Formats: sequence, structure tokens, C-alpha cells
Amino acid sequence: QVQVVQSATEVKKPGASVKLSCKTSGYTFTTYLMHWVRQAPGQGLEWMGIINPSDGGTGYAQKFQGRVTMTRDTSTSTVYMELGGLTSEDTAVYYCTRETGGFENWGQGALVTVSS
Amino acid sequence: QAGLTQPPSVSKDLRQTATLTCTGNSNNVGNEGAAWLLQHQGHPPKLLSYRNNNRPSGISERFSASRSGNTASLTITGLQPEDEADYYCSAWDSSLSAWVFGGGTKLTVL
Repeated sequence: QVQVVQSATEVKKPGASVKLSCKTSGYTFTTYLMHWVRQAPGQGLEWMGIINPSDGGTGYAQKFQGRVTMTRDTSTSTVYMELGGLTSEDTAVYYCTRETGGFENWGQGALVTVSS
Repeated sequence: QAGLTQPPSVSKDLRQTATLTCTGNSNNVGNEGAAWLLQHQGHPPKLLSYRNNNRPSGISERFSASRSGNTASLTITGLQPEDEADYYCSAWDSSLSAWVFGGGTKLTVL
């Protein structure tokens, strides 16, 4: 069955960068778009961007333009999201999710805490 | 970025019917419709429907979605205790070239 497994919790200092991974299995990796969505503590969902695993094409929410980079490795069926210039407002659970018309399969989430 | 509008909370009695709403505009909900997700505390979201009323495999028929103009709705019949959760709508916004979410509705089953 489809599985989406994310990397673990991260603690970062302000100004640092974080790179999260999202390993998929159970389907043809290049067939479906992947998204990154984050959720600050006690808050709603926020879309960050999209990557096409087939050609590596990306699209980012305007809010994150210039400090987010999404990449993929087709040999391991893994997508990555790197976010730079971290501030305390970036403290959140970060999810990757596979799109099949809707956001159908989600990773377990990775908590990123930004603190000095 | 502009998001979708959802009521913050809805309360309904056990076994009753709840209808949750999500209001956008002609660039998002009014264009390609909305998807609905539920989220229990401490868990990832779960997709309930997409493009108005397509349900993924395994989703109960008690959940049905619809759209009228720029407003999408999710109707949950025969409310069960496990339906108590946060519900989010989402849609592709063609003017922003971005996905947008509603702020979420907390459904309480009394």
C-alpha cells in the first residue's frame, strides 16, 4: 500500500536552514504530484508548495518564495523540502502529501522547532 | 495569501446531521470546487472528498460534499463520536497559482 514516511523532529536556531525528507513507496513515484503543507501550533493548514517528481518542476506559495527549495530523488522515491532563514514563526509541523485529485496520502509530519 | 472562509466551530447532537461550509471566490471554490479533510488532534489530515464529491476509497457515505457558486459544503449524516474533529476545506486558486485552505471548523458532537 502507499506509504509516506517523513524525517524526524528538528530543532534549529533562528537564521538556520532545515531540510526535511519524505520517502514514498507503494506506487510509481513519478506519477503523482507532491506537496508540502505546514501547521503551526494550534493553527490551521498552510500550503507551502508543490513538486512534480517526474521532471522536478516546482511551484511555491508567494510567502515562501526565495527561501524554500523542493527537490526530489527518483532513485529513492524521496522528496525534500529545504527552508532557510528560519524564525520562530516557522515553528510548525511540516507535512508532505501526495495529490491524487486531493491530498490523499500524508506523511506523519515532522515538527520543526526554531528557538535560540 | 487569501484563504477560504469557514465557521470556527459547529456543534451538533449525536446521530444528527451537520453541514459545514467553506466560502471562496470564482478563482478557487467557484472554479474547480473544493476538497475536504478532517484532522484529529495530533494526527495528519485525512482526505474526505475532492473536486466536490469524489470520495477516496474507504471514506464513509455519511460524508458528502457539494458546491453552490463560490460556497462548498460538507454534510455529515448520522454523527458519531469519532466525527468530532477539525475539518478543513482546500481549493486550487487559479489567480494565485496556489492551493488555499480554510481556517478550519471544529466540529463538536454532543
